Amino acid sequence: DAGITQSPRYKITETGRQVTLMCHQTWSHSYMFWYRQDLGHGLRLIYYSAAADITDKGEVPDGYVVSRSKTENFPLTLESATRSQTSVYFCASSPGTEGDTQYFGPGTRLTVL
Amino acid sequence: SQQGEEDPQALSIQEGENATMNCSYKTSINNLQWYRQNSGRGLVHLILIRSNEREKHSGRLRVTLDTSKKSSSLLITASRAADTASYFCATDYHRDDKIIFGKGTRLHILP
Repeated sequence: DAGITQSPRYKITETGRQVTLMCHQTWSHSYMFWYRQDLGHGLRLIYYSAAADITDKGEVPDGYVVSRSKTENFPLTLESATRSQTSVYFCASSPGTEGDTQYFGPGTRLTVL
Repeated sequence: SQQGEEDPQALSIQEGENATMNCSYKTSINNLQWYRQNSGRGLVHLILIRSNEREKHSGRLRVTLDTSKKSSSLLITASRAADTASYFCATDYHRDDKIIFGKGTRLHILP
């Protein structure tokens, strides 16, 4: 039982390139979330999804795109990467409704040169 | 943005001592959660306390919630080297699907 996985774990890309970070969970959780973690800012929510085909913006959505065609997958795409998007990205899932426990993936460390 | 704020930002204590971290938040909540993050890893859920609860225990963890002061504390008793990590509080807000994390307290247990 893999739980929640993220790929790749590490990624180096160049400014202007498109990058997609993958997130997969095996629990059939309804909710999925994308966060970025930066020194001095803690975790900030980028996008979240309450169910397949339902997504909503978080605190810092600009420059990111998400989709959720299947319950278990929630990819995050940086359409044109910028240096300010260098960060550690965490995906999380949650089984239920408001404020339920979130289960985090191991993270993807993205560097934009 | 609305979020909990942990205090202190960093804490170093001797192994065996108790560690206390605090979290303050701004508006009414349904529940408050504490998470731990070891270096280079994802967050791990520790404990959830609902707004109608005042205290909750889980092993060496004790969490209190004071809704009148909009604050919570996390106590780790008899600390161990393995407790070295960052600790985050997370609050949800009524009529909202998401939780908001604070910036965390970095706890270092000295041998």
